[in-house]
Amino acid sequence: ETGVTQSPTHLIKTRGQQVTLRCSSQSGHNTVSWYQQALGQGPQFIFQYYREEENGRGNFPPRFSGLQFPNYSSELNVNALELDDSALYLCASSLRRGGRTDTQYFGPGTRLTVL
Amino acid sequence: AQSVTQLDSQVPVFEEAPVELRCNYSSSVSVYLFWYVQYPNQGLQLLLKYLSGSTLVKGINGFEAEFNKSQTSFHLRKPSVHISDTAEYFCAVMDSSYKLIFGSGTRLLVRP
Repeated sequence: ETGVTQSPTHLIKTRGQQVTLRCSSQSGHNTVSWYQQALGQGPQFIFQYYREEENGRGNFPPRFSGLQFPNYSSELNVNALELDDSALYLCASSLRRGGRTDTQYFGPGTRLTVL
Repeated sequence: AQSVTQLDSQVPVFEEAPVELRCNYSSSVSVYLFWYVQYPNQGLQLLLKYLSGSTLVKGINGFEAEFNKSQTSFHLRKPSVHISDTAEYFCAVMDSSYKLIFGSGTRLLVRP
């Protein structure tokens, strides 16, 4: 059983650029959630995808968008990067069945630095 | 809205001593509760979870937590810590839309 993987590990961008982060779900999982963890803080929910559709969104502007693919892998896209977007971006996968989702398993994260 | 409070930002403790990391949550409905650990420059690793059933939950690495509904708490405990337990610990509650709401974290610092 493979765990959750994320790429790239680190990324440096400049203000105004766009970035795409990638996540591969744990085998057998059909739901992906993305979180932003600023330095010294707890993770904040960005959005969740189930069956390739957005299934809940946190308090993040529309320039944060995502995709989920048929193989349940996912992308997080951020347009018009701002300095405050510098953070660790975490992907978590889980299994949704019978309308319920419980345990989320996290990947190692992508460290994004915006200069 | 649900929220999670971790009152202690840092807990220093000597090796082989017991430790308790406190977590309180606010919720008016049934809750799913979790503790995750984060080692430096890594993602989150699940320590344990409470979904239902027994209020005493055992997790990995010798950790356990007790769900207390009347006090809305889910404190994490370990009877004897090791240097390798030094890390950031996050308590989280899952809301009705299945997203996790995290506390601000507690840094456990184990000293020799």
